[in-house]
Amino acid sequence: ETGVTQTPRHLVMGMTNKKSLKCEQHLGHNAMYWYKQSAKKPLELMFVYSLEERVENNSVPSRFSPECPNSSHLFLHLHTLQPEDSALYLCASSQGGQNYGYTFGSGTRLTVV
Amino acid sequence: SQKIEQNSEALNIQEGKTATLTCNYTNYSPAYLQWYRQDPGRGPVFLLLIRENEKEKRKERLKVTFDTTLKQSLFHITASQPADSATYLCALAGGSSNTGKLIFGQGTTLQVKP
Repeated sequence: ETGVTQTPRHLVMGMTNKKSLKCEQHLGHNAMYWYKQSAKKPLELMFVYSLEERVENNSVPSRFSPECPNSSHLFLHLHTLQPEDSALYLCASSQGGQNYGYTFGSGTRLTVV
Repeated sequence: SQKIEQNSEALNIQEGKTATLTCNYTNYSPAYLQWYRQDPGRGPVFLLLIRENEKEKRKERLKVTFDTTLKQSLFHITASQPADSATYLCALAGGSSNTGKLIFGQGTTLQVKP
């Protein structure tokens, strides 16, 4: 384990379902991130939270809704997804600032059917 | 727009040789450059960070260079082993934001043959 735990590891959902991805870190980091990784494409930044405040929303469709209730937990709520949203969703945390590496979770492999 | 390019073709080398991976970028002046390793089905793992005012950084068998004039970073693994086989990602950070936002390249897959 890296210190960042993501659940579930795998998720299959229909286009009309509502589900949530969970991320948890107890590293004392103050910034958390959601990335999307599709096959043959670079990691795409979705959301950034710094000190529990959303500081970036990278033009992500509203069917993805993040939530950061405290500095240790991050959620990604999903509803009315499309098949092209199928991907590996990665959560990461860091000390914040540009000076630190990220610690990633193992990701949630999402398949939308 | 900002662009990061890593060789999309897999790099195949023999065990014991030095692997060299390239990261080029355009329309960007990053303050920091980072390298990550990613194994199939797993999240990336942080390896090294180098700042814009540093030419070279080493960690065990790893060496990273950062040339802001050429807009290029080279990542070297010396005495490579089959266990080094993975995809290696470069990532850049810059600007005044304190969120440490990273932009990633698409990665280069390294295969070390015994």
